[in-house]
This record gives sequence, structure tokens and C-alpha cells, in this order.
Amino acid sequence: ILNVEQSPQSLHVQEGDSTNFTCSFPSSNFYALHWYRWETAKSPEALFVMTLNGDEKKKGRISATLNTKEGYSYLYIKGSQPEDSATYLCAFEGANNLFFGTGTRLTVIP
Amino acid sequence: EAGVVQSPRYKIIEKKQPVAFWCNPISGHNTLYWYLQNLGQGPELLIRYENEEAVDDSQLPKDRFSAERLKGVDSTLKIQPAELGDSAVYLCASSRQMNTEAFFGQGTRLTVV
Repeated sequence: ILNVEQSPQSLHVQEGDSTNFTCSFPSSNFYALHWYRWETAKSPEALFVMTLNGDEKKKGRISATLNTKEGYSYLYIKGSQPEDSATYLCAFEGANNLFFGTGTRLTVIP
Repeated sequence: EAGVVQSPRYKIIEKKQPVAFWCNPISGHNTLYWYLQNLGQGPELLIRYENEEAVDDSQLPKDRFSAERLKGVDSTLKIQPAELGDSAVYLCASSRQMNTEAFFGQGTRLTVV
């Protein structure tokens, strides 16, 4: 089992605050790093899939960066809204697997 | 485009009984995953298929769990016999190929009593 770690485990922020989470993963046998958003009672939905060192991707107020040499990725949310409340999962894709971290649970307080 | 379909959504069985879950991936998706998800945890990989070949089943407890993906499309995951600790949500996901996003089904919530 590969070690994919996410921090913090949970986070409460005020509406309008910006926030970020960290995902650390093995730097060897790397194929891709995925970010997913998982709302309660729904299925995880993909936000980004990044493959190249230095990749930066953006979707609306959410963006992510990737450092494959040191094995970490950051997810940023600018101006958090209550609808951003969810668990954010990262996943390391190797040659034959896709391993998830335990997630960061974000609660945005109105 | 239809999403990943799993059935049943919920299943309650007594310990030592067998149980099976079914997954129909998105059409054209070669890669299929089965995950186990316990409350408060991230999905744990059980098995990954590329077409009909299981390319990683190292996390599948083979003494009681089995999986198949006949013809590289639908897949079934079986537990025989089920134990109390198997109570969890079983998620199926598919992707078109490597390095592309995975699409998840709604999951099957298994309760073993």
C-alpha cells in the first residue's frame, strides 16, 4: 500500500476566506495525481488530474499545483462559499493502481 | 452519457452468508476499480482492471473476496463468507485510460449483522 497523506484532516473556515490543503505522495513510479471533491451522500467527482511536475490547474475558484520531485500537491480555494463544504480527496496514480488519501473535510461557515 | 451504475444500493446480510455486488462502468472505459470505504476514511483500493485483466489485486483479501470482469465490461465483486468487519461502502469507478479522471458509482452500502 502506498502512503498518500493529506492535511489537515478537517478544516472550518468562514465564508469568504481562502484556504489550502496538502497532499503528499511517493515521488517514485509517479503517473498522475488526482483531486476529487466528495459531498455527503454523493459520489466523488474529479476536480483535476495532473501529470507533469510544475503543473498548475484551475477551475473557477479552485486551483491546484503539483511538485512530483518532492512529492506534494496543494489545492487552493479562493473566497470559500458554503457550497464548497465537502471532503477533498487526492489520489496517487502509479503504474497499476490509484491510491487515495484519507481526505480533508472542509466546512465553510456562512 | 450514463454514469457508473452499481447495484444493489444497500444490502443487509447475516455473517457467514455470501454477497455479490455488480458494477456497469461507463461505455468505452477500459479501466475499472473496486474500492472499499469505511466511515471517515478514504477509498481503499481492492482491485484494478484493464479491460478483463486484473492488473492489481494485491489488496484484495483473496481468502474470502473474489472479483471478475467478463468481456472487459461489467464487473462483480463477491464476498464469501461475509464477516462483521466487511460492513462498509463498496465503490466502483471507471476511467477511459490511465492518467484520466475516474468516475464513481453511487456505491453499495453493506451491513453484516
